[in-house]
Amino acid sequence: DSGVTQTPKHLITATGQRVTLRCSPRSGDLSVYWYQQSLDQGLQFLIQYYNGEERAKGNILERFSAQQFPDLHSELNLSSLELGDSALYFCASSFGQNTGELFFGEGSRLTVL
Amino acid sequence: GESVGLHLPTLSVQEGDNSIINCAYSNSASDYFIWYKQESGKGPQFIIDIRSNMDKRQGQRVTVLLNKTVKHLSLQIAATQPGDSAVYFCAESILSGTYKYIFGTGTRLKVLA
Repeated sequence: DSGVTQTPKHLITATGQRVTLRCSPRSGDLSVYWYQQSLDQGLQFLIQYYNGEERAKGNILERFSAQQFPDLHSELNLSSLELGDSALYFCASSFGQNTGELFFGEGSRLTVL
Repeated sequence: GESVGLHLPTLSVQEGDNSIINCAYSNSASDYFIWYKQESGKGPQFIIDIRSNMDKRQGQRVTVLLNKTVKHLSLQIAATQPGDSAVYFCAESILSGTYKYIFGTGTRLKVLA
C-alpha cells in the first residue's frame, strides 16, 4: 500500500459527460502529480501541484482541469468526455517539489461509452 | 491499475536467469532517473533511482546503469523470479527544473518457469 488513495476505482460514463477523480496523497506529502495511462501512450504526465499551487503542466487537454485543496487532496476534472479519454488515471505524491520517489495510487479506470 | 492490454515490447526470461531491460531517454538535460515496476492491477512502484553524476547504482537484486553519452538506461535484475513479472518503466526528470517526470513507454517482463 503506497498510502495514496484514489477514488473512484472504476467509472463508466457517456461521451459529453463530466467526471471528477479524487486523490488523497500520502500523509505529509505536499506534491501531487496526475498521469494518464492509455493503450497507445503509456504513462503521460498531465499536471503537478505543490502545496496548492500548480508547478508543472504536461499534455493536459483544455477540457481537463485540476486543483489541489488546502488539505492537500487533489481533484482532476474531465469534461466533454470523448471515447479517447478512456484510460487509467494515476495520481502520485511526493514530499517535495523535485524529490525522488513518487508514490502512486492504484488508479481510476475511466471508460467512456 | 492494471497495465494489461498495453502494446508494449516484451522480454521473456527463464526463471533464475538475469534480465536486462533497456530504456532510451529523450532529454539530454535530464539529471535524475527512476525505474518503476507496475504489476497487474496496481500502480507503478519505485524500484531504484540514479542521478546523472553516477553511471551505476545497485540495489537488492537490481542494478541500474546510465550512459549519458547515448542517453540510455538499463535495469538489470539478477536471478529473475516469477514475482518480477510486470511492466517496467523508466522515468526521467530535471531536479532543478520543471519537476515533471517523463515516463518511457515501458517493457513487459515475462518470467518463464
